[in-house]
Amino acid sequence: DTEVTQTPKHLVMGMTNKKSLKCEQHMGHRAMYWYKQKAKKPPELMFVYSYEKLSINESVPSRFSPECPNSSLLNLHLHALQPEDSALYLCASSQDPTLTMVTEAFFGQGTRLTVV
Amino acid sequence: RKEVEQDPGPFNVPEGATVAFNCTYSNSASQSFFWYRQDCRKEPKLLMSVYSSGNEDGRFTAQLNRASQYISLLIRDSKLSDSATYLCVVNRVTNTGKLIFGQGTTLQVKP
Repeated sequence: DTEVTQTPKHLVMGMTNKKSLKCEQHMGHRAMYWYKQKAKKPPELMFVYSYEKLSINESVPSRFSPECPNSSLLNLHLHALQPEDSALYLCASSQDPTLTMVTEAFFGQGTRLTVV
Repeated sequence: RKEVEQDPGPFNVPEGATVAFNCTYSNSASQSFFWYRQDCRKEPKLLMSVYSSGNEDGRFTAQLNRASQYISLLIRDSKLSDSATYLCVVNRVTNTGKLIFGQGTTLQVKP
């Protein structure tokens, strides 16, 4: 099973709403990532969790709040977003971020978020 | 200067053509290198990892030149289904596996 599952696939939310994006993998991967992708741009890293601890926050605004409840799950809590936050949010996982070996990442299908 | 740079294209080629994409990276601490493929409105999918000795997978050949900090992807006998955006990705494992994406190169294969 080389699958990363994200829910929901589509989300429309108002600027005052609170919502959460969910990501799950059962490959035993110990690194999990959130990326944001705007149209015709490459994915931009937001957060990295390594062994369930937040290891990288790429200066993401606090209206995005990540959470890693266990090694298989990754959430992204959204609150008071702006229309410019509309994008494809991608979750990814990779095997072990501390090994000096090839560690390709597997991506979920993404959540297409629209903020109105 | 971006850490990973690619020519965005688009590359428009006829079926059966051979096409090559290049990518340069600026951080010499980079440890692992990949080519990902992304179809319109889909997630990136790993096409192939890039090894120092070069590697081939069917019609696809990847090369790495650490001295020049340069990665390439060669596609032979292009198919219509090869039309996609190809992303060069670099992994700085010493920084907890941070993946850095190039901006992608768009390939359009025409009949």
